[in-house]
Amino acid sequence: DTGVSQNPRHKITKRGQNVTFRCDPISEHNRLYWYRQTLGQGPEFLTYFQNEAQLEKSRLLSDRFSAERPKGSFSTLEIQRTEQGDSAMYLCASSLVAGSNGELFFGEGSRLTVL
Amino acid sequence: SQKIEQNSEALNIQEGKTATLTCNYTNYSPAYLQWYRQDPGRGPVFLLLIRENEKEKRKERLKVTFDTTLKQSLFHITASQPADSATYLCALDPFANQAGTALIFGKGTTLSVSS
Repeated sequence: DTGVSQNPRHKITKRGQNVTFRCDPISEHNRLYWYRQTLGQGPEFLTYFQNEAQLEKSRLLSDRFSAERPKGSFSTLEIQRTEQGDSAMYLCASSLVAGSNGELFFGEGSRLTVL
Repeated sequence: SQKIEQNSEALNIQEGKTATLTCNYTNYSPAYLQWYRQDPGRGPVFLLLIRENEKEKRKERLKVTFDTTLKQSLFHITASQPADSATYLCALDPFANQAGTALIFGKGTTLSVSS
């Protein structure tokens, strides 16, 4: 296993369009997290899953954002009716449940530019 | 309000010197604190974790301290090298001992090591 994989790496879209990002975590990891990062800021938590259950969502996650992890493996993050303020790097991370030191393994991110 | 502050946005030092980065937090009681490295356009990479009952943790040229009274962690890189140039992020679990709660990140400090 080569780590957390995210696709696409870059996405340019026009305001109002929908976009979807995919994350494939490390295979034995139960937990999967989505973060958003803008220039000069640290990663900002959006939501996380344990297996297929979405356990926590940030108040920052508007109703235009939806995340799924249907089979407890890969996850998708969809943004509907994109706005220019959605432009950011979307980071996915995974971690083990038991026996973990709590460290997160991040993917390389999906950079979204909304024109 | 709850917040994590990293002492400065940028730190410039000469090769061979020790870099010291600071992470202060307010109104959290984390069970542990983590440090990550992030290179431009890449996802963060885990470096070290220190628990609330540990005063100090070392890994090669890296050293982390954790003072729960001061609500502060210090991150040291000794004998710094140009390859250490990156952004360093501190992160903590906002709700101590609730395993799996998403990490909260600081903004990061960008370290530049000149030769």
